[in-house]
Amino acid sequence: VIWMTQSPSLLSASTGDRVTISCRMSQGISSYLAWYQQKPGKAPELLIYAASTLQSGVPSRFSGSGSGTDFTLTISCLQSEDFATYYCQQYYSFPRTFGQGTKVEIK
Amino acid sequence: QVQLQESGPGLVKPSQTLSLTCTVSGGSISSGGYYWSWIRQHPGKGLEWIGYIYYSGSTYYNPSLKSRVTISVDTSKNQFSLKLSSVTAADTAVYYCAFEGLGYFQHWGQGTLVTVSS
Repeated sequence: VIWMTQSPSLLSASTGDRVTISCRMSQGISSYLAWYQQKPGKAPELLIYAASTLQSGVPSRFSGSGSGTDFTLTISCLQSEDFATYYCQQYYSFPRTFGQGTKVEIK
Repeated sequence: QVQLQESGPGLVKPSQTLSLTCTVSGGSISSGGYYWSWIRQHPGKGLEWIGYIYYSGSTYYNPSLKSRVTISVDTSKNQFSLKLSSVTAADTAVYYCAFEGLGYFQHWGQGTLVTVSS
């Protein structure tokens, strides 16, 4: 099983801020990593796959980087609709696993 | 666009079997190329992948749940289903169906809360 450490678990930020979320793997996964956004009471939505490829329709202020064991999700200019919880997910091997989540809250 | 919708009882008694169905619209399960998954989220917690099924019936389950999980498919109804046996309060969660093509989950159902309680 590939374990994932996502940090921070809670991030307080203001609209317009640049925020970065980290996801570290217990072993290398090449670029087989996805990022999701989840709002309260809703299902997660795919933001990024293959570590850095933006899903269709996702604003360009979202970006992903990294490979191997260390990955980053960056929101370049936080908007009000971006306050949510973010999860990373590896698909290098089974079982599919997710990070613990990072809640981005209003400062 | 493919849409998924979970259905099933919202309350299950301890030791019984949880049964949920996911109805797929806007696309055919039989078209191939996609894997139809179940994922759950304990209240206020993170996401746990339960397993998937391919239209042919081949499955892969999370080892942590494998002894209790069965996922099946009914291509005639464009549905796939989850059965989780011998449930306890620890199985109380929101259950999502989703599909993946290359390992990541492109589309999700809205989720359904299942509470295990007597």
